[in-house]
Amino acid sequence: DAGVTQSPTHLIKTRGQQVTLRCSPKSGHDTVSWYQQALGQGPQFIFQYYEEEERQRGNFPDRFSGHQFPNYSSELNVNALLLGDSALYLCASSVWINGGQPQHFGDGTRLSIL
Amino acid sequence: DAKTTQPTSMDCAEGRAANLPCNHSTISGNEYVYWYRQIHSQGPQYIIHGLKNNETNEMASLIITEDRKSSTLILPHATLRDTAVYYCIVRVEYGSSNTGKLIFGQGTTLQVKP
Repeated sequence: DAGVTQSPTHLIKTRGQQVTLRCSPKSGHDTVSWYQQALGQGPQFIFQYYEEEERQRGNFPDRFSGHQFPNYSSELNVNALLLGDSALYLCASSVWINGGQPQHFGDGTRLSIL
Repeated sequence: DAKTTQPTSMDCAEGRAANLPCNHSTISGNEYVYWYRQIHSQGPQYIIHGLKNNETNEMASLIITEDRKSSTLILPHATLRDTAVYYCIVRVEYGSSNTGKLIFGQGTTLQVKP
């Protein structure tokens, strides 16, 4: 049973460019959340998708947008890249079960901005 | 801001139990306690969660005090592969369409030594 898969694993972009990151959730999961993790810091919540709608959003500018597809997979788009967007981008999937909804993470996409 | 307080770092001898404490004195009645760990260059790994009863799974045990203001994660027989950053997180559970985001603090860096 495959877990959460993310692509690509590494990416190098320059300032001002746009990037799309992809996530396939764990089988049976219907909710996808995205996190940004800067070096030496804990992950920070970007947004969450359920039933193809953005349900919650963290403190990130509109340059960060996302999408969820009918098969529950998801994309994270970042426009007008800044040097400060260099980070590990993590996708987590989950499904509601009686007694909680543990999120399961992929190993992330390492984005470097030059 | 994270709603939990954890020691910055801890050491444990290989083969011994590792007991990782967490304070969450402002926890509310509908908030669960979640534990994750992150091994270098990997995504966070879900360990265990609970509401008010003690919980055990194949990875660890979670002990929650009766007033729910603190908890302890127990790794019964620590190995070198358990060296990681451990995050204690409290999160409200709304249901399938609106699950709470995870707010990560700095976590506890556990070093398991031979």
